[in-house]
Amino acid sequence: EAGVAQSPRYKIIEKRQSVAFWCNPISGHATLYWYQQILGQGPKLLIQFQNNGVVDDSQLPKDRFSAERLKGVDSTLKIQPAKLEDSAVYLCASSLVTDQPQHFGDGTRLSIL
Amino acid sequence: QKEVEQDPGPLSVPEGAIVSLNCTYSNSAFQYFMWYRQYSRKGPELLMYTYSSGNKEDGRFTAQVDKSSKYISLFIRDSQPSDSATYLCAMTSSGNTPLVFGKGTRLSVIA
Repeated sequence: EAGVAQSPRYKIIEKRQSVAFWCNPISGHATLYWYQQILGQGPKLLIQFQNNGVVDDSQLPKDRFSAERLKGVDSTLKIQPAKLEDSAVYLCASSLVTDQPQHFGDGTRLSIL
Repeated sequence: QKEVEQDPGPLSVPEGAIVSLNCTYSNSAFQYFMWYRQYSRKGPELLMYTYSSGNKEDGRFTAQVDKSSKYISLFIRDSQPSDSATYLCAMTSSGNTPLVFGKGTRLSVIA
Protein backbone atom coordinates (compact mmCIF):
# COMPACT_ATOMS: atom_id res chain seq x y z
CA GLU A 1 0.00 0.00 0.00
CA ALA A 2 1.46 3.33 -1.05
CA GLY A 3 1.74 5.89 1.73
CA VAL A 4 0.74 9.53 1.88
CA ALA A 5 2.65 11.49 -0.76
CA GLN A 6 3.63 15.12 -0.30
CA SER A 7 5.49 17.63 -2.42
CA PRO A 8 7.69 19.51 -2.47
CA ARG A 9 9.91 18.12 0.32
CA TYR A 10 11.61 21.46 0.92
CA LYS A 11 10.72 25.06 0.11
CA ILE A 12 12.53 28.30 0.85
CA ILE A 13 10.77 31.61 0.25
CA GLU A 14 10.98 35.18 1.42
CA LYS A 15 8.41 36.67 3.77
CA ARG A 16 5.30 38.04 2.06
CA GLN A 17 5.66 35.55 -0.81
CA SER A 18 3.13 32.81 -1.43
CA VAL A 19 3.65 29.04 -1.35
CA ALA A 20 1.57 25.94 -1.99
CA PHE A 21 1.90 22.35 -0.81
CA TRP A 22 0.35 19.27 -2.34
CA CYS A 23 -0.84 16.03 -0.73
CA ASN A 24 -2.05 12.73 -2.17
CA PRO A 25 -3.57 10.55 0.57
CA ILE A 26 -3.62 6.78 0.79
CA SER A 27 -6.06 5.39 -1.77
CA GLY A 28 -9.56 5.07 -0.37
CA HIS A 29 -8.95 7.25 2.68
CA ALA A 30 -11.89 9.60 3.10
CA THR A 31 -10.39 11.81 5.80
CA LEU A 32 -7.44 14.11 5.17
CA TYR A 33 -5.62 16.33 7.63
CA TRP A 34 -3.06 19.13 7.37
CA TYR A 35 -0.78 19.72 10.37
CA GLN A 36 1.87 22.30 11.20
CA GLN A 37 4.88 21.05 13.16
CA ILE A 38 7.19 23.72 14.53
CA LEU A 39 10.67 22.59 15.54
CA GLY A 40 10.61 20.90 18.95
CA GLN A 41 6.80 20.68 19.04
CA GLY A 42 4.20 18.08 18.26
CA PRO A 43 2.04 18.49 15.16
CA LYS A 44 -0.87 20.93 15.41
CA LEU A 45 -3.99 20.38 13.32
CA LEU A 46 -4.71 23.12 10.79
CA ILE A 47 -7.63 21.63 8.86
CA GLN A 48 -9.52 18.34 8.50
CA PHE A 49 -11.46 17.24 5.43
CA GLN A 50 -14.03 14.48 5.15
CA ASN A 51 -14.13 13.67 1.42
CA ASN A 52 -14.19 17.20 -0.08
CA GLY A 53 -15.93 18.91 2.85
CA VAL A 54 -14.26 20.75 5.74
CA VAL A 55 -14.84 19.14 9.15
CA ASP A 56 -12.62 21.37 11.30
CA ASP A 57 -10.64 24.47 10.35
CA SER A 58 -10.82 26.21 13.71
CA GLN A 59 -7.03 26.49 14.01
CA LEU A 60 -6.37 27.58 10.43
CA PRO A 61 -5.21 31.23 10.20
CA LYS A 62 -7.74 32.05 7.54
CA ASP A 63 -6.36 35.49 6.78
CA ARG A 64 -3.32 33.86 5.15
CA PHE A 65 -3.88 30.11 4.93
CA SER A 66 -6.28 28.31 2.61
CA ALA A 67 -6.81 24.68 1.71
CA GLU A 68 -8.95 22.73 -0.67
CA ARG A 69 -9.64 19.13 -1.51
CA LEU A 70 -11.31 19.05 -4.86
CA LYS A 71 -12.90 15.73 -5.90
CA GLY A 72 -12.23 14.35 -2.41
CA VAL A 73 -8.75 13.00 -3.18
CA ASP A 74 -5.71 15.29 -3.51
CA SER A 75 -5.41 18.42 -1.42
CA THR A 76 -3.45 21.66 -1.56
CA LEU A 77 -2.54 24.00 1.28
CA LYS A 78 -1.58 27.57 0.44
CA ILE A 79 0.00 30.37 2.45
CA GLN A 80 -0.28 33.93 1.16
CA PRO A 81 1.47 36.06 2.31
CA ALA A 82 3.99 34.07 4.34
CA LYS A 83 5.32 35.32 7.68
CA LEU A 84 8.53 34.38 9.45
CA GLU A 85 6.57 32.41 12.08
CA ASP A 86 5.23 30.10 9.34
CA SER A 87 8.62 28.36 9.18
CA ALA A 88 7.71 24.77 10.04
CA VAL A 89 7.12 21.32 8.60
CA TYR A 90 3.69 20.94 7.04
CA LEU A 91 2.42 17.39 7.39
CA CYS A 92 -0.45 15.76 5.59
CA ALA A 93 -2.18 12.71 7.08
CA SER A 94 -5.08 10.53 6.04
CA SER A 95 -7.32 7.94 7.61
CA LEU A 96 -9.92 5.54 6.27
CA VAL A 97 -12.62 7.27 8.30
CA THR A 98 -12.44 9.79 11.12
CA ASP A 99 -12.12 7.32 14.02
CA GLN A 100 -9.36 5.27 12.45
CA PRO A 101 -5.62 5.85 12.98
CA GLN A 102 -3.99 8.59 10.94
CA HIS A 103 -1.09 7.87 8.59
CA PHE A 104 1.34 10.70 7.88
CA GLY A 105 3.40 11.76 4.90
CA ASP A 106 7.00 12.95 5.31
CA GLY A 107 5.99 16.60 5.15
CA THR A 108 7.16 19.76 3.43
CA ARG A 109 9.85 21.67 5.30
CA LEU A 110 9.21 25.40 4.80
CA SER A 111 11.81 28.05 5.57
CA ILE A 112 10.90 31.74 5.45
CA LEU A 113 13.75 34.21 4.98
CA GLN B 1 -1.61 23.58 32.28
CA LYS B 2 -1.10 22.11 28.81
CA GLU B 3 -3.55 19.45 27.73
CA VAL B 4 -0.74 16.93 27.12
CA GLU B 5 2.62 17.02 28.86
CA GLN B 6 5.59 15.01 27.62
CA ASP B 7 9.17 15.23 28.81
CA PRO B 8 11.19 16.29 25.74
CA GLY B 9 14.35 14.54 26.92
CA PRO B 10 16.76 13.92 25.33
CA LEU B 11 16.95 10.39 26.69
CA SER B 12 20.08 8.33 26.05
CA VAL B 13 20.24 4.62 26.87
CA PRO B 14 22.59 1.71 26.05
CA GLU B 15 21.55 -0.93 23.55
CA GLY B 16 19.43 -3.64 25.16
CA ALA B 17 17.98 -1.37 27.87
CA ILE B 18 14.30 -1.12 28.69
CA VAL B 19 12.98 2.33 27.80
CA SER B 20 10.01 3.98 29.47
CA LEU B 21 8.35 6.97 27.80
CA ASN B 22 5.46 8.79 29.43
CA CYS B 23 2.77 11.40 28.92
CA THR B 24 0.30 12.99 31.29
CA TYR B 25 -2.89 14.71 30.25
CA SER B 26 -5.58 16.87 31.80
CA ASN B 27 -8.67 16.19 29.66
CA SER B 28 -10.64 13.30 31.18
CA ALA B 29 -12.63 12.98 27.93
CA PHE B 30 -9.65 11.51 26.07
CA GLN B 31 -10.36 7.88 25.14
CA TYR B 32 -8.09 7.11 22.20
CA PHE B 33 -4.35 7.04 22.81
CA MET B 34 -1.56 6.70 20.28
CA TRP B 35 2.20 6.57 20.15
CA TYR B 36 4.01 7.73 17.03
CA ARG B 37 7.69 7.36 16.17
CA GLN B 38 9.29 10.11 14.10
CA TYR B 39 12.70 9.73 12.54
CA SER B 40 14.64 12.83 11.57
CA ARG B 41 13.16 14.51 8.47
CA LYS B 42 10.35 11.94 8.29
CA GLY B 43 6.68 12.02 9.14
CA PRO B 44 5.27 10.43 12.32
CA GLU B 45 4.74 6.67 12.03
CA LEU B 46 1.99 5.04 14.08
CA LEU B 47 3.38 2.53 16.61
CA MET B 48 0.54 1.81 19.01
CA TYR B 49 -3.18 2.61 19.11
CA THR B 50 -5.23 1.90 22.21
CA TYR B 51 -8.75 2.62 23.32
CA SER B 52 -9.56 3.44 26.96
CA SER B 53 -7.51 1.91 29.79
CA GLY B 54 -5.32 -1.19 29.77
CA ASN B 55 -2.23 -2.63 28.14
CA LYS B 56 -1.40 -3.47 24.54
CA GLU B 57 1.67 -5.35 23.40
CA ASP B 58 3.23 -5.52 19.94
CA GLY B 59 6.60 -7.20 19.71
CA ARG B 60 9.10 -5.23 21.80
CA PHE B 61 6.60 -2.41 22.41
CA THR B 62 4.01 -2.21 25.20
CA ALA B 63 1.56 0.65 25.64
CA GLN B 64 -0.18 1.27 28.95
CA VAL B 65 -3.06 3.61 29.67
CA ASP B 66 -4.14 4.56 33.20
CA LYS B 67 -7.15 6.82 32.81
CA SER B 68 -7.63 7.19 36.57
CA SER B 69 -4.19 8.83 36.79
CA LYS B 70 -4.40 10.44 33.32
CA TYR B 71 -1.07 8.83 32.48
CA ILE B 72 0.09 6.82 29.48
CA SER B 73 3.34 4.96 28.92
CA LEU B 74 5.27 3.28 26.14
CA PHE B 75 7.82 0.62 27.04
CA ILE B 76 10.47 -0.55 24.61
CA ARG B 77 12.21 -3.81 25.51
CA ASP B 78 15.66 -4.78 24.23
CA SER B 79 16.15 -1.35 22.72
CA GLN B 80 18.11 -1.13 19.46
CA PRO B 81 20.03 1.72 17.81
CA SER B 82 17.29 1.72 15.15
CA ASP B 83 14.84 2.80 17.88
CA SER B 84 16.64 6.16 18.05
CA ALA B 85 13.94 8.68 17.13
CA THR B 86 11.47 11.12 18.62
CA TYR B 87 8.43 9.49 20.21
CA LEU B 88 5.18 11.44 20.22
CA CYS B 89 2.13 10.64 22.28
CA ALA B 90 -1.24 11.70 20.89
CA MET B 91 -4.78 11.44 22.13
CA THR B 92 -8.36 12.42 21.38
CA SER B 93 -11.84 12.05 22.78
CA SER B 94 -13.46 10.89 19.55
CA GLY B 95 -12.84 10.49 15.85
CA ASN B 96 -14.34 13.89 15.18
CA THR B 97 -12.13 15.86 17.55
CA PRO B 98 -8.52 16.79 16.77
CA LEU B 99 -5.59 14.72 17.92
CA VAL B 100 -3.64 16.50 20.64
CA PHE B 101 0.07 15.71 20.54
CA GLY B 102 2.77 15.92 23.16
CA LYS B 103 5.99 17.70 22.28
CA GLY B 104 7.80 14.43 21.75
CA THR B 105 10.69 12.72 23.57
CA ARG B 106 13.97 12.36 21.69
CA LEU B 107 15.50 8.93 22.34
CA SER B 108 19.03 7.83 21.50
CA VAL B 109 20.01 4.16 21.84
CA ILE B 110 23.78 3.82 21.97
CA ALA B 111 25.43 0.66 20.57
